[in-house]
Amino acid sequence: QSALTQPASVSGSPGQSITISCTGTSSDVGTYNLVSWYQQHPGKAPKLMIYEGNKRPSGVSNRFSGSKSGNTASLTISGLQAEDEADYYCCSYAGSSTWVFGGGTKLTVL
Amino acid sequence: QVQLVQSGAEVKKPGSSVKVSCKASGGTFSRYALSWVRQAPGQGLEWMGLIIPIFGTANYAQNFQGRVSITTDESRSTSYMELNILRSADTAVYYCARHPLNLQGQVDPTIDFWGQGTLVTVSS
Repeated sequence: QSALTQPASVSGSPGQSITISCTGTSSDVGTYNLVSWYQQHPGKAPKLMIYEGNKRPSGVSNRFSGSKSGNTASLTISGLQAEDEADYYCCSYAGSSTWVFGGGTKLTVL
Repeated sequence: QVQLVQSGAEVKKPGSSVKVSCKASGGTFSRYALSWVRQAPGQGLEWMGLIIPIFGTANYAQNFQGRVSITTDESRSTSYMELNILRSADTAVYYCARHPLNLQGQVDPTIDFWGQGTLVTVSS
């Protein structure tokens, strides 16, 4: 199981939109619409932001949205705010009761 | 809602073992499966394995097969992750994280909540 591929870093100014990609294979992202996205602030545990590709848990801002095309899932954050600065990780179900994470993307709000 | 409270930081010698606990409080332990995920300093998240307490069955990532054991003690609402033959590369924060179970006992593929993490340092 190889880690999903994410860009190491992305940046944007307040109010702008950014998109973080998460590329897997036909064994994980491409087969299962079961990608979740987590936000992690320094020294904190990850927090669920998107699940099953494009669903938001209660309490998560609608500025966060998810999508998928082929073997690549994406997280879009619109109307960037300073508090969005964090690390973001994708995670995909990979079959046979196994999961795989992405390497993480550091979001900087300029 | 079930909260996950993990044991404290550990310092271990290379070649030894570590056992980290994760206690579920405030809910029904049997309504969840638990994954264990680690994060080396400055690195990404790495899935290690999962256990379904009501069945007692565990599944492990290939990278950890034979070196990790995940168990539960339902009477204590606690899961344990034991990692053997420790090396410096195992220095990391280890998290337990829950997956809800549906009424048929199937694991929801989404991790919806995480424990606070346990730092394990492997150093001679």
